[in-house]
Amino acid sequence: NAGVMQNPRHLVRRRGQEARLRCSPMKGHSHVYWYRQLPEEGLKFMVYLQKENIIDESGMPKERFSAEFPKEGPSILRIQQVVRGDSAAYFCASSPKVQGAGAEAFFGQGTRLTVV
Amino acid sequence: GQNIDQPTEMTATEGAIVQINCTYQTSGFNGLFWYQQHAGEAPTFLSYNVLDGLEEKGRFSSFLSRSKGYSYLLLKELQMKDSASYLCAVRRGDSSYKLIFGSGTRLLVRP
Repeated sequence: NAGVMQNPRHLVRRRGQEARLRCSPMKGHSHVYWYRQLPEEGLKFMVYLQKENIIDESGMPKERFSAEFPKEGPSILRIQQVVRGDSAAYFCASSPKVQGAGAEAFFGQGTRLTVV
Repeated sequence: GQNIDQPTEMTATEGAIVQINCTYQTSGFNGLFWYQQHAGEAPTFLSYNVLDGLEEKGRFSSFLSRSKGYSYLLLKELQMKDSASYLCAVRRGDSSYKLIFGSGTRLLVRP
């Protein structure tokens, strides 16, 4: 059973371009979380999704950022018109459920976004 | 709202035992997690507590008291490779179920 897969591992974008970050959860996991981490800082919650539904996007900026988790395929975090302040590591985590035993959440290796 | 507190930094000696505390206040509760994160790497899952008590996994143990909003991670027989950040996270118990992290505790293990 492969772990949580994120790609690309590193992404460089010029200011104003779009960044697309992909996350394939572990097999059997239908709950996905996205986090942003700046150097020397903690993990900041961005969005929580289930298949085809955004459950909580309270941590995601209202403009330029969007996320989806379609019925088929990976979860996508999309950042439009990137700015230098978007440079960070973006991590995805998945879990099979959200209550009780067996609800552990595991992280992917992250995507390091650099905006130049 | 939610608030998760843990010490910013700790130092311990190789071979010793260290306890990293975490206190939390959240809207509902559906589990507490501990992760290890080395600099520049992804968080690695260590433990998950949903009921009160102690969970032991080799050199690492995690304790939870839901009534006190308190957990600790216990690391025994410390090794140099245990130098890392240790992240406490709580999954809320309201309709959101989002997983919220504390700022992490940087542990330095000295020879």
